[in-house]
Amino acid sequence: AQSVTQLDSQVPVFEEAPVELRCNYSSSVSVYLFWYVQYPNQGLQLLLKYLSGSTLVKGINGFEAEFNKSQTSFHLRKPSVHISDTAEYFCAVSLGGSQGNLIFGKGTKLSVKP
Amino acid sequence: GAGVSQSPRYKVAKRGQDVALRCDPISGHVSLFWYQQALGQGPEFLTYFQNEAQLDKSGLPSDRFFAERPEGSVSTLKIQRTQQEDSAVYLCASSLDHNTEAFFGQGTRLTVV
Repeated sequence: AQSVTQLDSQVPVFEEAPVELRCNYSSSVSVYLFWYVQYPNQGLQLLLKYLSGSTLVKGINGFEAEFNKSQTSFHLRKPSVHISDTAEYFCAVSLGGSQGNLIFGKGTKLSVKP
Repeated sequence: GAGVSQSPRYKVAKRGQDVALRCDPISGHVSLFWYQQALGQGPEFLTYFQNEAQLDKSGLPSDRFFAERPEGSVSTLKIQRTQQEDSAVYLCASSLDHNTEAFFGQGTRLTVV
């Protein structure tokens, strides 16, 4: 069965510092991988996704992630965070090649402090 | 509107009451998904429609949960005899088809008291 593990439930960081949010998945087949952001009382917004091709994926708001098949990881990174990046971030893996039928991790709350 | 619209945004129900949650997908989107997000958790898949056909309902937690999309556009998630454990945010998402990006609505927060 497929699953997603987000290793950190909360990540506090100072403004303009770099950040990495970790995600590991388990799957016996090829997967699609996603990162979503959720602001308070909002739905999910897609940050970036890996479907195939280059393992380094660039997304919106300066975020990027690297697909590492051998380590079954898809960590999210940003070199310099802003206060406005404070939100909850979810890693997800697809089922059966669908980009809408997803298994999500439990989320990581990123708190950016001035 | 341009995005996925869900109504109501907030719903308080007394235990045992039936509720209906509505999702208006993006116009022309064939695929529609429902998710349940409990407090402090990630979203969990409930069910999936392709047009009016419900192709996957494996995530519905009990037979009290029922979803429909009779004309292939608007969808309703119905929960009968609500229980406290049904309290959660219910998210709807739609996509052009099965294998394109899904766009999420803002969700309906259901509180069962």
